[in-house]
Amino acid sequence: AQKVTQAQTEISVVEKEDVTLDCVYETRDTTYYLFWYKQPPSGELVFLIRRNSFDEQNEISGRYSWNFQKSTSSFNFTITASQVVDSAVYFCALSERSFGNEKLTFGTGTRLTIIP
Amino acid sequence: DTAVSQTPKYLVTQMGNDKSIKCEQNLGHDTMYWYKQDSKKFLKIMFSYNNKELIINETVPNRFSPKSPDKAHLNLHINSLELGDSAVYFCASSQEMALQRGGGETQYFGPGTRLLVL
Repeated sequence: AQKVTQAQTEISVVEKEDVTLDCVYETRDTTYYLFWYKQPPSGELVFLIRRNSFDEQNEISGRYSWNFQKSTSSFNFTITASQVVDSAVYFCALSERSFGNEKLTFGTGTRLTIIP
Repeated sequence: DTAVSQTPKYLVTQMGNDKSIKCEQNLGHDTMYWYKQDSKKFLKIMFSYNNKELIINETVPNRFSPKSPDKAHLNLHINSLELGDSAVYFCASSQEMALQRGGGETQYFGPGTRLLVL
């Protein structure tokens, strides 16, 4: 069975510091997809990124960057120069390719607090 | 325009009642889902529908019954509500999980419905 572990339950950093959120996954499939979602205090779930298992290239989007390493089964998320608006719960999720029976397995989330 | 919408946003009800949550998506997606987020923020899938057909039915009490009148709508009906049903329920949608697309389509979530059973 697939599993996603976000070992950091809560993180607090001072504004403008960089912060990395860890995500480790387990799967027996060779084709799978990884996601990050943000849940701000308002409660909605906001999609951030999707990465497939064949693409290990790191991605940068503004202050956000993602480091995917198959060798360690990790898909870590870094926020550079953090801002108060980054305060949220962040979820890492895994989707295995299984035609007709596909679902997202979420990690337990990391609550990030940016201190002004 | 809201891509995935849910009504109501808040639902407070007494134990034993029956209630429904509605979900609509205007993204033209073929697959819709219901997730439950408990008080510890843990998110778990409950159901998924593809073109009005039930695809995934996780271990959910049969008091929960999803209904999809068309591929843009997926409603959740809950009978005989219990205290433990209190949670936030999220609807989501994605493109069809076609084999040639390789799966792993991004799921877009609604704003959530916060259900409180007293």
